[in-house]
Amino acid sequence: SQQGEEDPQALSIQEGENATMNCSYKTSINNLQWYRQNSGRGLVHLILIRSNEREKHSGRLRVTLDTSKKSSSLLITASRAADTASYFCATALDNYGQNFVFGPGTRLSVLP
Amino acid sequence: DTEVTQTPKHLVMGMTNKKSLKCEQHMGHRAMYWYKQKAKKPPELMFVYSYEKLSINESVPSRFSPECPNSSLLNLHLHALQPEDSALYLCASSQPPRGSYNEQFFGPGTRLTVL
Repeated sequence: SQQGEEDPQALSIQEGENATMNCSYKTSINNLQWYRQNSGRGLVHLILIRSNEREKHSGRLRVTLDTSKKSSSLLITASRAADTASYFCATALDNYGQNFVFGPGTRLSVLP
Repeated sequence: DTEVTQTPKHLVMGMTNKKSLKCEQHMGHRAMYWYKQKAKKPPELMFVYSYEKLSINESVPSRFSPECPNSSLLNLHLHALQPEDSALYLCASSQPPRGSYNEQFFGPGTRLTVL
C-alpha cells in the first residue's frame, strides 16, 4: 500500500538554488520522516518531524508538516551538486513505528 | 559502529538456485527489516523482526524466507526465484520500539539479478 505521495517526481535546479519537495499521506500519523538515497545505494535518514510539530530545521533542511492537509514539505536551501539524490518521505502505519511506507520519491538533480 | 553491512553487494542467480543475503549491525538495535526496491520506485517493506521474532510479514511469497539467528544478524534465504524478483534488497535496523519515533538505519543493499 502506498501511504505517501511526493511531488514533483523529478526536479532539476542549478547549484545555489532552493529545492522544495512535497509529500502527502492518507492516514493519521505519529511522525513523518524524510530519507535521501544516492543512486542505487542505501537510504540515509535526514529528519523526523512529530505530529505535534509544524516546522523543523536541520542545517540546510527545513521540513514543515500540516496534519490538517496531511502533507509535508522538505526545503533544501543553497543546494549543492552533492544534494543530487532521490528523496523519500516515510510514515509508519503501526504504533511501534516499524511498518514503514515510503512515498514514491522525488529525484533531485542539482546542476553545477 | 553505526553501520549496517550487507553481503554480497551483487548477486546473479538462476531460477533453480538457492542463495542467501546477509545483513549485520552492531548498534544494539532490536528491530531489523528487509525491503525490496525496484528501479525508480520506493522501498517496499517485506519483513520486520522485533527482538528476533518475526513481527511483520507483508504477504511475501514463500520463495523468500527470512531468518534472524541473533540480535545482530538477519538473513534472507532465496529459492526458486523469478526474474521479476530482480531488485535491490535493502536491510535496515532501528532501536527497540519506543513509541513510534524510530529512525531506520539502512545498509547499502544487495543488487539481485535472477536469470
